Amino acid sequence: SQTIHQWPATLVQPVGSPLSLECTVEGTSNPNLYWYRQAAGRGLQLLFYSVGIGQISSEVPQNLSASRPQDRQFILSSKKLLLSDSGFYLCAWCRAGGAPNSPLHFGNGTRLTVT
Amino acid sequence: GESVGLHLPTLSVQEGDNSIINCAYSNSASDYFIWYKQESGKGPQFIIDIRSNMDKRQGQRVTVLLNKTVKHLSLQIAATQPGDSAVYFCAENNAGNMLTFGGGTRLMVKP
Repeated sequence: SQTIHQWPATLVQPVGSPLSLECTVEGTSNPNLYWYRQAAGRGLQLLFYSVGIGQISSEVPQNLSASRPQDRQFILSSKKLLLSDSGFYLCAWCRAGGAPNSPLHFGNGTRLTVT
Repeated sequence: GESVGLHLPTLSVQEGDNSIINCAYSNSASDYFIWYKQESGKGPQFIIDIRSNMDKRQGQRVTVLLNKTVKHLSLQIAATQPGDSAVYFCAENNAGNMLTFGGGTRLMVKP
């Protein structure tokens, strides 16, 4: 069966510090991968998605970036965090080409607090 | 722009009663819809999905209804239990590899 792992679960970082959140998927090949952000009590905002190694699409302009160095690894980064970057970050996957016909499967998220 | 929204931000039901959570969508071209359950501090969990060529789909204690005429989606939970307390999101696929999520409805189950 497929599993998705995100870490760390919680993170407190000062303003201006760098960020690296990692997500890995097991049990599938060539998945579509996604990073979402969820503000407290709000819906999910798509940040990035990837359909293959090295292929990243950005949905919103921001000081975050994403990379996919391996087939089942997706990384969310920032060089300098802002207070507004605080939130709940969720990684998700679905099977290749499957988004129109299969659901996204989410990790358990990283709670980021920028102080 | 196109969006998915919810009628009720909070729904409180008695344990054992049936729950109905509603969602309106605006993109008539959307062809795939999903309901997710999100418990506090966790990621959204897939509950049930439905394609636009269907009006109804049933799972274990859950039923999703799709009314394309009025662009309305609902999730029915039978015999609601305390463990059903969570935030429920609807989502639609209207652009290739991406889903658009509604704002969420909090379901509170009273014992």
